[in-house]
Amino acid sequence: QVQLVQSGAEVKKPGASVKVSCKASGYTFTGYYVHWVRQAPGQGLECMGWINPNSGGTNYAQKFQGRVTMTRDTSISTAYMELSRLRSDDTAMYYCARDWRRIAAGPDAFDIWGQGTMVTVSS
Amino acid sequence: QSALTQPPSASGSPGQSVTISCTGTSSDVGGYNYVSWYQQHPGKAPKLMIYEVSKRPSGVPDRFSGSKSGNTASLTVSGLQAEDEADYYCSSYAGSLFGGGTKLTVL
Repeated sequence: QVQLVQSGAEVKKPGASVKVSCKASGYTFTGYYVHWVRQAPGQGLECMGWINPNSGGTNYAQKFQGRVTMTRDTSISTAYMELSRLRSDDTAMYYCARDWRRIAAGPDAFDIWGQGTMVTVSS
Repeated sequence: QSALTQPPSASGSPGQSVTISCTGTSSDVGGYNYVSWYQQHPGKAPKLMIYEVSKRPSGVPDRFSGSKSGNTASLTVSGLQAEDEADYYCSSYAGSLFGGGTKLTVL
């Protein structure tokens, strides 16, 4: 079945970097955008940006520009999100999500979500 | 761009209907027919309930419906059921904007 499986929980110190993986299966990985969304404990959803797995092109939310890097490895159908210079307020659940529309139609809404990766930033 | 505005809470009794609003601007909600709604139960990943203002993905009950007027989109849940109790988030502008979320309580 169509699914996204994310890497496990991480604990990092302030100033460090974290890289979260998102492995796709059950569909053509290069055919659909992959978005990254985070949710701080008890808070709402926050968009971080997306990657076009076909071209590698990215679009980052302004808040994260300069700190986030989204990449992909098409040989293993996996997308990555790396966040650097971590702060305590980066503590959150990080989700990857697939766009429901094929890439040629442009990004829209997220129909398949990963299970989430909890990132804790603490000294 | 600022986040979209949703009421923090909404409630209704089983069988009733409840509507959750999502207010943006002419640059996001009002300017595009790309409003989506997500349901999130505690400890779970969000689930897409409505996309492109009023379309339902396969498997979503027709008790859930979406609409838009000007800069405000709405999600209506008819025939409320206990399992509808969850947080609901609206999104616009290809997911780059989310609302703050509405906690729906089934009384």
